[in-house]
Amino acid sequence: DQQVKQNSPSLSVQEGRISILNCDYTNSMFDYFLWYKKYPAEGPTFLISISSIKDKNEDGRFTVFLNKSAKHLSLHIVPSQPGDSAVYFCAASAPNRDDKIIFGKGTRLHILP
Amino acid sequence: ETGVTQSPTHLIKTRGQQVTLRCSSQSGHNTVSWYQQALGQGPQFIFQYYREEENGRGNFPPRFSGLQFPNYSSELNVNALELDDSALYLCASSFWQGENIQYFGAGTRLSVL
Repeated sequence: DQQVKQNSPSLSVQEGRISILNCDYTNSMFDYFLWYKKYPAEGPTFLISISSIKDKNEDGRFTVFLNKSAKHLSLHIVPSQPGDSAVYFCAASAPNRDDKIIFGKGTRLHILP
Repeated sequence: ETGVTQSPTHLIKTRGQQVTLRCSSQSGHNTVSWYQQALGQGPQFIFQYYREEENGRGNFPPRFSGLQFPNYSSELNVNALELDDSALYLCASSFWQGENIQYFGAGTRLSVL
């Protein structure tokens, strides 16, 4: 049973346009959400996070939106750059402090020239 | 500030053998988590160590075990290797009681033949 779902295995976006990556979750106990980016032969790199008490968090070109009622979050990248081509993982954790992070399967983002 | 480092980067073993993977935490971090990432999947939580004790465990059999040392470095041991154990093994460190942001190493690619 997948608790964090990324239903788009891949996404292609023109350079300079907005990239929107989506994520759904099923566990209402999740209170902290993260996005990680992964390049080949590297570990996942933390990108941005959001607590369940907020509905938006922004860091430069990256904005994460959280819709708790829909159990949905999205990552917006504006403007998209060639270096953004990578696999993006949505992840979530619950407040039971075993620090387990549940990851989605990832979405591969291709930025087209 | 040094990041999370893992060794070795690649490893080839045969079924039934035992393997030990190593991880050095990011400086200032006191918690280490291990994840298994199979091809096409997101990382899956194996277990976490805090103060040299296992602090939480995912759905992995007892032949997956670990250690954390006083300097917060860690080992993952897998006994009686099976073909399905072939995966990328990721170590992540974090600071207990901080935000649940985990920082990953580049991983060890294990192939079981």
